Amino acid sequence: GQQVMQIPQYQHVQEGEDFTTYCNSSTTLSNIQWYKQRPGGHPVFLIQLVKSGEVKKQKRLTFQFGEAKKNSSLHITATQTTDVGTYFCAGPSTGTYKYIFGTGTRLKVLA
Amino acid sequence: DAGITQSPRHKVTETGTPVTLRCHQTENHRYMYWYRQDPGHGLRLIHYSYGVKDTDKGEVSDGYSVSRSKTEDFLLTLESATSSQTSVYFCAIKPPGGEQFFGPGTRLTVL
Repeated sequence: GQQVMQIPQYQHVQEGEDFTTYCNSSTTLSNIQWYKQRPGGHPVFLIQLVKSGEVKKQKRLTFQFGEAKKNSSLHITATQTTDVGTYFCAGPSTGTYKYIFGTGTRLKVLA
Repeated sequence: DAGITQSPRHKVTETGTPVTLRCHQTENHRYMYWYRQDPGHGLRLIHYSYGVKDTDKGEVSDGYSVSRSKTEDFLLTLESATSSQTSVYFCAIKPPGGEQFFGPGTRLTVL
């Protein structure tokens, strides 16, 4: 079945360092969504990418959608302690109304 | 935050007992989802609904059933709870073409 993989599973960085998480789908996606979950909280939507090769920025966060629409990345520049949490990508399952979530990347920022 | 609540927020139950979790929305969104979250597995879809009385299975539906008799409520039932169903359960709602809004979660412990 359709799978969405994320790497790395965990990442510890010093505050001020950059961070990147990668998302890979086994199938072509019509769109991809990114979510952030703070420790003890619920996932919160960050962004949706739709176009091949699309790049979107939100302050220190840069999101990319691959040319083949099978992969995506989230890059955080100069991490802060407020960036701590787990980042998930999610892609729609072909022909259904459901989304498949990646396993997530848990980010820890050391002050 | 979107108008979505879950009840109960915490529950401890014994193996073999039935358990029902409730998701309630005030947004009138068409799509509703039930996920479970376990360490190392990310968010896994249990069941979802694309309208009143319209539901379908997700990746990990065994041992679970759902009902949606009205737009605002989506119930998840564990017919006979097992220890492997100890988890955090999230409900999500979604408008067509939009992002998912997650509820605060229910922490279920099956002893």
